[in-house]
Amino acid sequence: AQSVTQPDIHITVSEGASLELRCNYSYGATPYLFWYVQSPGQGLQLLLKYFSGDTLVQGIKGFEAEFKRSQSSFNLRKPSVHWSDAAEYFCAVGQLPSSGSARQLTFGSGTQLTVLP
Amino acid sequence: NAGVTQTPKFRVLKTGQSMTLLCAQDMNHEYMYWYRQDPGMGLRLIHYSVGEGTTAKGEVPDGYNVSRLKKQNFLLGLESAAPSQTSVYFCASSSIGTGNYGYTFGSGTRLTVV
Repeated sequence: AQSVTQPDIHITVSEGASLELRCNYSYGATPYLFWYVQSPGQGLQLLLKYFSGDTLVQGIKGFEAEFKRSQSSFNLRKPSVHWSDAAEYFCAVGQLPSSGSARQLTFGSGTQLTVLP
Repeated sequence: NAGVTQTPKFRVLKTGQSMTLLCAQDMNHEYMYWYRQDPGMGLRLIHYSVGEGTTAKGEVPDGYNVSRLKKQNFLLGLESAAPSQTSVYFCASSSIGTGNYGYTFGSGTRLTVV
């Protein structure tokens, strides 16, 4: 069974500092990997996704993530954090889509990001 | 440009009461999902559907039923609510194409069972 671990429950950074959120996954085949962001009282918004190819993927809002197969990791990074980035971040892994199968995603437990002024 | 719409947004139920959560999407997506979100546990899949008239169980289906009579709607029912079902419920949808693998989420329904 696939699983996702986000080891950091809560991270605090100062505005302008760099950010890295960790994600480790367990999956028997090539994974489809995602990062979502959830602002308070809102649904989840897709930041970026990795299917194949270049292991460094760019997303919205200046975020990027790097897929490292040898470490089973898909860490999210941002060079300079803005106060508006304060939110909860979820990493997710999915199975290779096949005909008739739903795209079931398994989510990590989330990392809450606080940004200090 | 509505995307995925969930109703209601908030609800308080007494133990034993029943209710239905409605999810509607206007993107012609084939797949729809119901998740629940609890603190420290991320999102867990309750039920999902791969098309009109079909449903399947997810990770935590007990105490819930679903129906998808129309492609655009996916209903989640609680027949006899329990305090353990206090949670935030999210509906999501996705399309068949691999390029659109990611989900589109609704804004959630916060349910409290007292």
